Amino acid sequence: EADIYQTPRYLVIGTGKKITLECSQTMGHDKMYWYQQDPGMELHLIHYSYGVNSTEKGDLSSESTVSRIRTEHFPLTLESARPSHTSQYLCASEGSSGNTIYFGEGSWLTVV
Amino acid sequence: AQTVTQSQPEMSVQEAETVTLSCTYDTSESNYYLFWYKQPPSRQMILVIRQEAYKQQNATENRFSVNFQKAAKSFSLKISDSQLGDTAMYFCAFDLQGGSEKLVFGKGMKLTVNP
Repeated sequence: EADIYQTPRYLVIGTGKKITLECSQTMGHDKMYWYQQDPGMELHLIHYSYGVNSTEKGDLSSESTVSRIRTEHFPLTLESARPSHTSQYLCASEGSSGNTIYFGEGSWLTVV
Repeated sequence: AQTVTQSQPEMSVQEAETVTLSCTYDTSESNYYLFWYKQPPSRQMILVIRQEAYKQQNATENRFSVNFQKAAKSFSLKISDSQLGDTAMYFCAFDLQGGSEKLVFGKGMKLTVNP
């Protein structure tokens, strides 16, 4: 299994709360990604990073924000959670050698 | 824009049998990659197999093989000797050369292997 970790795995929070989903990888990968996946649906890219201090928005518009201060760490933040943010969030990383990405186990977020 | 279609939302198969998962895609590009990813329940999504479009030979990884038909834009996954651990969601994905930020996933297919 890949060395990429997400916390928390499951989270239930109230509307309006601020939350941060953590993602860390120990493979030294420059590229990192955040995907959103609703149950039974395809993955949609919401953020990605080419390396430290690089962040880009993905194809799916998201109210979340990301930061990349360290190579190994790519947290995702929702300033004010809403029920529409209920979903699974998958973090992934990719080395410089080719088109293979490695996924974390995912963070299931439920906003009530 | 590239699209990936998995028309079968769900399949089941008996242990030790062979099963084929279908995937079609649409692109006007000639150089690209195709992937099958496996997502077991509550576990990490992992790469099963990948195929470079410029390679005519079908990729094979142990019990997993693909049937890549470039002209038909078809990329099916065959799982031989199915095992209980193969139970998972399977996603077909397409990626243009140059970066996984362009990776496009299908909606996935739920495969259940029964004992």
